[in-house]
Amino acid sequence: EVQLVESGGGLVQPGRSLRLSCAASGFRFDDYAMHWVRQAPGKGLEWVLGINWNGDTIASADSVKGRFTISRDNAKNALYLEMNGLRAEDTAVYYCAKDGPALRFSGCVDVWGQGTTVTVSS
Amino acid sequence: EIVVTQSPGTLSLSPGERATLSCRASQSVTSNYLAWYQQKPGQPPRLLIYAASSRATGTPDRFSGSGSGTDFALTISRLEPEDFAVYYCQQYGSSSSITFGQGTRLEIK
Repeated sequence: EVQLVESGGGLVQPGRSLRLSCAASGFRFDDYAMHWVRQAPGKGLEWVLGINWNGDTIASADSVKGRFTISRDNAKNALYLEMNGLRAEDTAVYYCAKDGPALRFSGCVDVWGQGTTVTVSS
Repeated sequence: EIVVTQSPGTLSLSPGERATLSCRASQSVTSNYLAWYQQKPGQPPRLLIYAASSRATGTPDRFSGSGSGTDFALTISRLEPEDFAVYYCQQYGSSSSITFGQGTRLEIK
């Protein structure tokens, strides 16, 4: 069974940092691009960052550029999101998401994790 | 950045009726790379349609996608009780700027 499990969310003060992790299983992780998508409370979906299968192509939404970093460890089947300079507007559920086609960076997500909640508040 | 706008914001219909949800992009979507997702409360989204009109694995055939360029639609031919949810469209034609619409809530009338 294809599965994505996020961890690392929690309550953090404005300006601080947090690192999210995503453990992938049930598919050949190093064949697929991966993404982070977030959803603020009661709001819609916002794509945040994406990384291609081998990590040499990364794309980012303007709202997080320069503050958030995506990375992956194919040996560990893991995806990461490093968040620095957190703001109240970064409060959201953060979903780890698998790209659809193998060996491409499309942005179309066919598998989603259950999400991890990040709350930025003093 | 391509802005994606969905309409209506809320659609109230009864089971058995036909639903049509619209999605408009501010620029032409490359290769019609437009997806539709369904989200129910407390759950992650689920991919329904990709490349404007291709059903994802497991998507019932009462769901169909259409359109090209800047105007797209999701049609549910005959609503089932489990179809009442929020639907999002997403353009992924530009890999450096992937954007979602604001969502359409489909509610029971």
